[in-house]
Amino acid sequence: AQSVTQPDIHITVSEGASLELRCNYSYGATPYLFWYVQSPGQGLQLLLKYFSGDTLVQGIKGFEAEFKRSQSSFNLRKPSVHWSDAAEYFCAVGAGGYNKLIFGAGTRLAVHP
Amino acid sequence: NAGVTQTPKFQVLKTGQSMTLQCAQDMNHEYMSWYRQDPGMGLRLIHYSVGAGITDQGEVPNGYNVSRSTTEDFPLRLLSAAPSQTSVYFCASSPTAPRYSGANVLTFGAGSRLTVL
Repeated sequence: AQSVTQPDIHITVSEGASLELRCNYSYGATPYLFWYVQSPGQGLQLLLKYFSGDTLVQGIKGFEAEFKRSQSSFNLRKPSVHWSDAAEYFCAVGAGGYNKLIFGAGTRLAVHP
Repeated sequence: NAGVTQTPKFQVLKTGQSMTLQCAQDMNHEYMSWYRQDPGMGLRLIHYSVGAGITDQGEVPNGYNVSRSTTEDFPLRLLSAAPSQTSVYFCASSPTAPRYSGANVLTFGAGSRLTVL
């Protein structure tokens, strides 16, 4: 069965520090992978997506993610975090039909000034 | 351009009551879906629709009913509310629903927070 694991429930970083959020997936075929961000009280906004091709994908707000098939991972990175990046981040995999997404449990990011 | 609009934003129900969460999109999207978000569990798919008149069950459909009479609207009905249905509900849509693609990006509404006492 398809699944997504985000090992870190909470992460705290200092403003200006680098960030890496981990995501591991389980899916038999070539995955479609997504990262969404949810600010407090808001809906989910797409940060970036991987469908095929270059395994390093760039997204909005300075985020990037790297697809590693051998590790079944799709980790999200940002070189320098801003206070406005504090939010909850969700990794998701396309479940193979009709745009159904399987979401991870989310990682809540706190940013210290 | 409103995108995906959900109403109400907040609702409190008593056990056994029924209600409808409304979802409307103005992007002419074929695919619409409902998710619920619970702490530590991410988002789970309740029901989805690939076009007017066509609906199907997701991962957690029990206790919920949907219909799709128009392209724009996809209401979610709670038939007899239970405390276990306390959650935040998100409606999401995407342009097309090619089978086995899973490749279209979902546009989410702002959510509806439901509390069942």
